[in-house]
Formats: sequence, C-alpha cells, structure tokens
Amino acid sequence: SQKIEQNSEALNIQEGKTATLTCNYTNYSPAYLQWYRQDPGRGPVFLLLIRENEKEKRKERLKVTFDTTLKQSLFHITASQPADSATYLCALDNSSASKIIFGSGTRLSIRP
Amino acid sequence: GAVVSQHPSRVICKSGTSVKIECRSLDFQATTMFWYRQFPKKSLMLMATSNEGSKATYEQGVEKDKFLINHASLTLSTLTVTSAHPEDSSFYICSARDSTGGGPQHFGDGTRLSIL
Repeated sequence: SQKIEQNSEALNIQEGKTATLTCNYTNYSPAYLQWYRQDPGRGPVFLLLIRENEKEKRKERLKVTFDTTLKQSLFHITASQPADSATYLCALDNSSASKIIFGSGTRLSIRP
Repeated sequence: GAVVSQHPSRVICKSGTSVKIECRSLDFQATTMFWYRQFPKKSLMLMATSNEGSKATYEQGVEKDKFLINHASLTLSTLTVTSAHPEDSSFYICSARDSTGGGPQHFGDGTRLSIL
C-alpha cells in the first residue's frame, strides 16, 4: 500500500542552523510533492510545490529537493528562527487521483 | 492569496446532537473541497472529497450516513456530523482546490468538536 514517512517525529535545533526534514514514500509515483506548515490548532498552510521533473525548488529561506529514484524529498530551512517552530507536513499528489496524501509530520522546534 | 474560511472554530455539544460545519472559499472558486479529520499529534486523515453539484466520494471506513457532505456551490461545502457521540470528538479541517491536478490545497483553520 502507499506509504509516506517523515522520518523524525520531532526535531530540535539551535537558532541560526539549517533544519533538514526528510520525507520518504513507497508504492507511489507522485507527479507533485508539496510541503505544508501547521501551527497548533490551525489548518496547514501551503509552502512549496515541486514537480517530478524538478530536482530543487527555493523560496526565500526554504529549499526543497525531490529525488524520484530514491523516492525522497528533503526540506531545508536555512538560518532558522524560533518563529519557524511548527509541524511540517509533506504531501504527495499524483494528479489523476485528485487528492493529496499527507505524511504524519515533523514537529520542528528552534531554540534561541 | 486564496482564503478558506471554516466555521465554527469550536463546538461543544451533548451526545446525540447533529453538528454542521461550513467551509467557504472566499476569493476563488473551488473545483474540489476536501474534509479531513486530525487526531492529536497525528496527520490529516482524508474523510471525503466533494465536487460541486455531485455526491461526495468517501474514503474507506468513513460512514457516509454519519458524515453528510453537501457541496451546494463552488464556494461552499458543509459537513454535518449526525447524532454525534464522544468518539466523534476531533479536529475537523476542510480544504479547497482552485485547479485540478497539481495545485496546492488551501485549508480552513479547522473546527474543534467536543461531544460530551
């Protein structure tokens, strides 16, 4: 069955360092991979989308990579700040199914 | 940006009550709306997908008679939890898409439902 794994349930890092979150998937061929941020008690907010034929995407301090051979995406936040503390969800979309499958999320804490 | 409004944000009611949750896309037309349920520290569990003017498609294990979904227009979908019981207590979140295939989902801020 289709499976998405975000390897760390929680990640704690020092302010200013780069946070790297991992998303692995099996039995799936996504056309797109998306990353969302969710704060406690709120709905997820879309951050970045990367297509299967793209290797890397950047937006300000965020960088996403997508390796369809390894079936893995890495999400980086450079120069991390306490305000970046949140749960980050990866999501896979194969376009034809018209629905997105979400990973369980990684709770990121940036300590001052 | 695309905004989705979900109402109410919190509901506390007695067992046996039916509860309606509204999801509106404020500045775009949503071709598809989705309803999710989220347990504490868990990921989003898709309950159903709804397209305007047609019956919702429910995920396996979700009771369609228990969770009634109506998608009356391109900007409004409702979820009614019928005869709610304590085990229905959860965080329910809707989302909407303004394009088919590949576009991001825009989420509401969720409804915290507590059944006493």
